[in-house]
Amino acid sequence: DQQVKQNSPSLSVQEGRISILNCDYTNSMFDYFLWYKKYPAEGPTFLISISSIKDKNEDGRFTVFLNKSAKHLSLHIVPSQPGDSAVYFCAAKRDSGAGSYQLTFGKGTKLSVIP
Amino acid sequence: DAMVIQNPRYQVTQFGKPVTLSCSQTLNHNVMYWYQQKSSQAPKLLFHYYDKDFNNEADTPDNFQSRRPNTSFCFLDIRSPGLGDAAMYLCATSNSIAWTEAFFGQGTRLTVV
Repeated sequence: DQQVKQNSPSLSVQEGRISILNCDYTNSMFDYFLWYKKYPAEGPTFLISISSIKDKNEDGRFTVFLNKSAKHLSLHIVPSQPGDSAVYFCAAKRDSGAGSYQLTFGKGTKLSVIP
Repeated sequence: DAMVIQNPRYQVTQFGKPVTLSCSQTLNHNVMYWYQQKSSQAPKLLFHYYDKDFNNEADTPDNFQSRRPNTSFCFLDIRSPGLGDAAMYLCATSNSIAWTEAFFGQGTRLTVV
């Protein structure tokens, strides 16, 4: 039973346009969310995070939006660049208490930015 | 500068032959994790250490064991690898006191022949 779902295995976007990657979760105990980026043959690298007390967090070209009532978050990349081409993983955890340092991952979305 | 280092990057082992994957860190983090990732699947947590305390996930097979001799090093032992154990194995660390993210190594790609 997948607790973190990324329903789009792949996404292609033109350079300069916006990329929107989506993630849904089912465990209502999750209250901290992260996005990781992974290039082939490398480990995931942290990109951006958001706590459930917020609905938006922005870092340069990357913005994460959280809709708690819908149990949905999205990562916006604008403008998209060819170097953004990678697999993006959504991850979730509890912010405190048991399991507060254990991440649950989605299957990832492969983003291709076309020059 | 690599902060979480996994060796080797690629490992080929024979069916049933014990294999050990290693992970070291320079971050002095107290939590270390092992994840298994199969193709097009989500990374799956096998177990983690909180300091010296070992925490096994309920569905991690007994075939998988781990050792953490000190803060810096953690090992994943696969006692009798099967073909289904071929995967990318990811080591990660975090600081439980000021948790911001988990830091991952580059992974070890395990092939079972």
